Amino acid sequence: QKEVEQDPGPLSVPEGAIVSLNCTYSNSAFQYFMWYRQYSRKGPELLMYTYSSGNKEDGRFTAQVDKSSKYISLFIRDSQPSDSATYLCAMSWYSSASKIIFGSGTRLSIRP
Amino acid sequence: EAQVTQNPRYLITVTGKKLTVTCSQNMNHEYMSWYRQDPGLGLRQIYYSMNVEVTDKGDVPEGYKVSRKEKRNFPLILESPSPNQTSLYFCASSTGTSGGGDTGELFFGEGSRLTVL
Repeated sequence: QKEVEQDPGPLSVPEGAIVSLNCTYSNSAFQYFMWYRQYSRKGPELLMYTYSSGNKEDGRFTAQVDKSSKYISLFIRDSQPSDSATYLCAMSWYSSASKIIFGSGTRLSIRP
Repeated sequence: EAQVTQNPRYLITVTGKKLTVTCSQNMNHEYMSWYRQDPGLGLRQIYYSMNVEVTDKGDVPEGYKVSRKEKRNFPLILESPSPNQTSLYFCASSTGTSGGGDTGELFFGEGSRLTVL
């Protein structure tokens, strides 16, 4: 079993829809949770960061962590074609970049 | 502009022909790492370096070498490439930790697509 599981998609939704992207994990020691966005032919870039449980909002993006269920989510409100990308969840049990584990990524397409 | 630069971006080579993928960052980051990205497997860490002359294995180090002689550079060396090393490779750098109790943001290069025939 992988430590971090992520539905690969692809996920296609119309412009303006609310998008929900999810990851599950098996290691209960994880306490640092991240979402990276990767455009085609580009490297990933950090989108959201959350420590421990709870919600974090940044504009149209909300990151949610449920440690009791070992489940994290990224919500995108009022989705735009420019949101079309691959979204990778990432997590770590230690405050060091060397220990980050990535999900396999979900490919998202927003239809105009 | 803050960036991580990888070269070459695309490379086709043959089994056994040694190659080096260069990586350079201009952010004075102590931490650098190499990942490979394969469909369905996501990003897997090959090697990382916490500082000059300090390197350590990641999850998939077999068949790769690295060196960190200068803070800004972290080349990835494939001494004898094999077809199973065909992949998309990313170099990343970070402060390592922000000191504020998080992991530090990873800054990625644009990737190097390697094909080994």
